Parts: sequence; structure tokens; C-alpha cells
Amino acid sequence: EAGVAQSPRYKIIEKRQSVAFWCNPISGHATLYWYQQILGQGPKLLIQFQNNGVVDDSQLPKDRFSAERLKGVDSTLKIQPAKLEDSAVYLCASSSPTGPGGQNEQFFGPGTRLTVL
Amino acid sequence: AQKVTQAQTEISVVEKEDVTLDCVYETRDTTYYLFWYKQPPSGELVFLIRRNSFDEQNEISGRYSWNFQKSTSSFNFTITASQVVDSAVYFCALSGPRAGAGSYQLTFGKGTKLSVIP
Repeated sequence: EAGVAQSPRYKIIEKRQSVAFWCNPISGHATLYWYQQILGQGPKLLIQFQNNGVVDDSQLPKDRFSAERLKGVDSTLKIQPAKLEDSAVYLCASSSPTGPGGQNEQFFGPGTRLTVL
Repeated sequence: AQKVTQAQTEISVVEKEDVTLDCVYETRDTTYYLFWYKQPPSGELVFLIRRNSFDEQNEISGRYSWNFQKSTSSFNFTITASQVVDSAVYFCALSGPRAGAGSYQLTFGKGTKLSVIP
């Protein structure tokens, strides 16, 4: 079974530029999560989708971050404009209620490492 | 609010030594789940174990073992006879049902970086 795919793996941009990340979850997984992991910290949830609807985006800085999950499969996370403090690894995860752990087991992608100069 | 504390920021051990990683959690939920993830230098989070709040039995999987104590809100992780390949950052995480959200979101600790020296 293919895992969660993310691209790009690395991105370097200058502040005030825009950037987008892409995630393809495990086939059939209805729930998709985006996490931000700042160096030296644990991942922090940014947004959670159930199919193509947003379940929770309470920790998403909506003035600059946006995310969508068209057709309930792939998802994109965008930052516009980027700030220095956005430098982090952006992790995508997916889960399914029919998996071994149900909604409690999330499978993570390799992440996108963003550096904002 | 949920909170996970991993007080040990970094630990170094010599290969074949045993090492315990501490995790203390806070939650108001009566039903919750605890996790440990491993993050090697490649960056991907690797699932190690999940425990629900009603199951306090300790678990052993090869060189790994977990001690869940509800009375002290702790879920500690021990690696026996450590190996260089165990070098990674280990995260403890907590999930519980969020009112209105309808699903289980993970709250992570800050992680413990384990270095196993040959």
C-alpha cells in the first residue's frame, strides 16, 4: 500500500513570496491533516479535513495560510506571503475509520522542509 | 486543554545501554489515546504504539516496552539494549475526541532526541 506522498521535499523562498505544498493521502483515507513542525518542537495541527470539508482550522493563520482539498483526495497548503517564522517542516497525514486504529491512527508523509530567507 | 510534556530534551547513551524516555500528559477527556512516534533524520514520523485510556497493561515489543500509569498520567518508553539505529527524535502524543470536531486530533510533546553512541 502506498504511503502519504508530499511534494516538494524542500523549498527555499524569500520572505513575502508565496509557496504551495501538495499532499496525496493514502487511497481511501477520508481524513487529512496538515501539521507544522518548527525546529526543536513537536508537530502542531494546522487544519483537518474530512473528505473535502474542513473539520478544524482553528490553529491556521488565516491571514496568510490557506488550504483546500478539492474532490476529497489531494490537498494543497499555501502560504502567501511567507514570513521568516514560517520556516518549518510541513507534514501531511491521513487516517481512516476503517483502518486498524480507526481515526486514531494517522499515517504521516515525509514532509516538506520550508526555509524562508 | 490537552498537553504533553517530554522533559528530556536530549539523551545520549552508549550502545547496548537501556534508556527510558519520559512522557507526562494532561487531559480532561475520560477516553483518550496515547502514542509514541519515532522521527529519524529522514524526517518521516514512524508510528510505534497506541494505547487507549482503558488499557493500563504494559506492552513489550522486541527491545521496546511501554509503561502506562494513569495514576501519574505517564506513558514512558524504554528501549532495551539500545542500538545506533535507535538514534532519532521520539515524540509522545495524545489524542481525544474534540467536541464539534468529531475526530481525534494529536497533541504532540516537544520530543526527546536520542543519540546512541557506538
